[in-house]
Parts: sequence; structure tokens; C-alpha cells
Amino acid sequence: GAGVSQSPSNKVTEKGKDVELRCDPISGHTALYWYRQSLGQGLEFLIYFQGNSAPDKSGLPSDRFSAERTGGSVSTLTIQRTQQEDSAVYLCASSPGGGNQPQHFGDGTRLSIL
Amino acid sequence: QKEVEQDPGPLSVPEGAIVSLNCTYSNSAFQYFMWYRQYSRKGPELLMYTYSSGNKEDGRFTAQVDKSSKYISLFIRDSQPSDSATYLCASSNAGGTSYGKLTFGQGTILTVHP
Repeated sequence: GAGVSQSPSNKVTEKGKDVELRCDPISGHTALYWYRQSLGQGLEFLIYFQGNSAPDKSGLPSDRFSAERTGGSVSTLTIQRTQQEDSAVYLCASSPGGGNQPQHFGDGTRLSIL
Repeated sequence: QKEVEQDPGPLSVPEGAIVSLNCTYSNSAFQYFMWYRQYSRKGPELLMYTYSSGNKEDGRFTAQVDKSSKYISLFIRDSQPSDSATYLCASSNAGGTSYGKLTFGQGTILTVHP
């Protein structure tokens, strides 16, 4: 079946612009996670959704970052007023029921801020 | 100090060699341990998933967890050029608000040459 789908695969934008990144999880997976992967910091947790609610937002680096999930399926990560340090690969993962069930990743969105 | 430490390598071995990849962790609450493989410009792919201490084998791959020393290992037997990738260890808690949140090591770059 289809895996986790992320779009766009690449995004180049100017500093100060807003960007929206989309994640379409595996069908039926109730848990959805966003991570960020950068050269200096490795792979870091951003936010976790169970259904449409986000019990853990502890990894969001600033209030410029927000995320929502609607219909228990698609999620959007929004970065406002982008900065050069936001350049990274943004990865989405989903799992059948959350908790410690195995997480399956998409191929990410490679974001470059000029 | 990061909660999960991993030697970034790079590690280069000849085809057919046994590869040993290792991580250490500092958070005693970690109960679940994973190894992911990541090819260039792709998302992490789950290889092994273990709970608490012990060994788990799957084909050419063996994962070991020693909770007394907080040490995680992945062994690859009869390594192949197709095993060339970045290998990421990850850990998570058994409960609480961070339930399911993965903490990753920096990743080890492995090259298997023919």
C-alpha cells in the first residue's frame, strides 16, 4: 500500500516568506509526527498528533512554527517569516496507534531559505 | 550532551564483512530501541525494533540492547554494497507526555565497497 506522502519534495523560498508543508500519512494511522533533519542538529522531534489533537508540541523551535491536522489524516506544518536557520529536511512519520508502535517515515520536504 | 550518542563515522568496509554499529544513551526512561536505515535523499526506513534488553535477529541484521550499560548495537553480517547508507539509532520512553517521541543519534555513514 501507499506509504507516507509529503509535498512538496523541495521548496526554495526567500527569507521572511511563509511556507506550508504537507503530510499525508498511511491510511488508518492515527498517530502522526513531524521531525526536522539538519546537518548540525541531526534528526529532531517537532510535534506529535494523536487524531486531530497535539498532546506534545515540545519540539517546535519557536512560535513561528505551527501545525494542524484535520480529519485525523492530512497534516500541515507552517513556518511563518522564515529564517535561514529554518533550512532543513522536514520529515513526517505515522504509526497505527501512537505510543511506541513503529513509526514509518516519508521522504521529507527539503526546505532552503535564501 | 545529547541523550543518544552515535559515532558518525564514516565507516568503510569490504563486501562480506561484519559491520558493528553502536550507540549509547543517557536517559534511563528509554525502553524502546530502533535502528533506521536512510539512503541519500530518502526518509529513514525502519530496520529493527526492540523493547528493553536483549537480542533480536532478522536475516543478516542483529540488534542488541544492554540496558545495564545503556548500549545499543546493530550487527550486519555478509555486508553488501546495497547496505551503504546512513544508519540511525533511536530510542523512546514507555509513557508520559513524550510517549512515542523518538530521540535519534547523529547517524553513522556506512560504505560497503565491492
